[in-house]
Amino acid sequence: SQQGEEDPQALSIQEGENATMNCSYKTSINNLQWYRQNSGRGLVHLILIRSNEREKHSGRLRVTLDTSKKSSSLLITASRAADTASYFCAIAQGGSEKLVFGKGMKLTVNP
Amino acid sequence: DSGVTQTPKHLITATGQRVTLRCSPRSGDLSVYWYQQSLDQGLQFLIQYYNGEERAKGNILERFSAQQFPDLHSELNLSSLELGDSALYFCASSVRGTGISYNEQFFGPGTRLTVL
Repeated sequence: SQQGEEDPQALSIQEGENATMNCSYKTSINNLQWYRQNSGRGLVHLILIRSNEREKHSGRLRVTLDTSKKSSSLLITASRAADTASYFCAIAQGGSEKLVFGKGMKLTVNP
Repeated sequence: DSGVTQTPKHLITATGQRVTLRCSPRSGDLSVYWYQQSLDQGLQFLIQYYNGEERAKGNILERFSAQQFPDLHSELNLSSLELGDSALYFCASSVRGTGISYNEQFFGPGTRLTVL
């Protein structure tokens, strides 16, 4: 079963705006990772945040993690049309290195 | 480019047939993971190998099997194929140090399997 649940399931914004995606999960985690997938192609790793971290930045990406609420958010600032893709959160839980993915969230950035 | 390669990119076959998907991990990565992505099930973990040994198993059907070779490339074998096996199959690799290290997994471009 899938643990991560992205919210919203779809988001449409204008270029230059910020996009925020949320991920909720149910169990304790070792880390949470965000991935991007362009239209049925491979998954691109964006950022990994460990359970003892609260915030990470990478370029225009900012990820937060609240383990007490079992939730994470991905913020993409100053969005571009090229950011149009599906975004997935994935969790590594317990003693396992496998990733459990959410259903994904489709982001459309209109030029 | 993640550095993970998968062949073939596309595969079209008939029900009942057997296919082999191949994955070469990033240079230096010892762990290989296989995932299946379908419209109804989403992204599901199938199996993990570490340095030639099976490490973890997920929702992998008995008709499916995998192995990792001494050169660290991996193959996923799918047999007695059914229509419902049509999906994108991804391979991912990661570095694994001593003990369990939870690292980024880097995904290949996937193999799109169509079963007719």
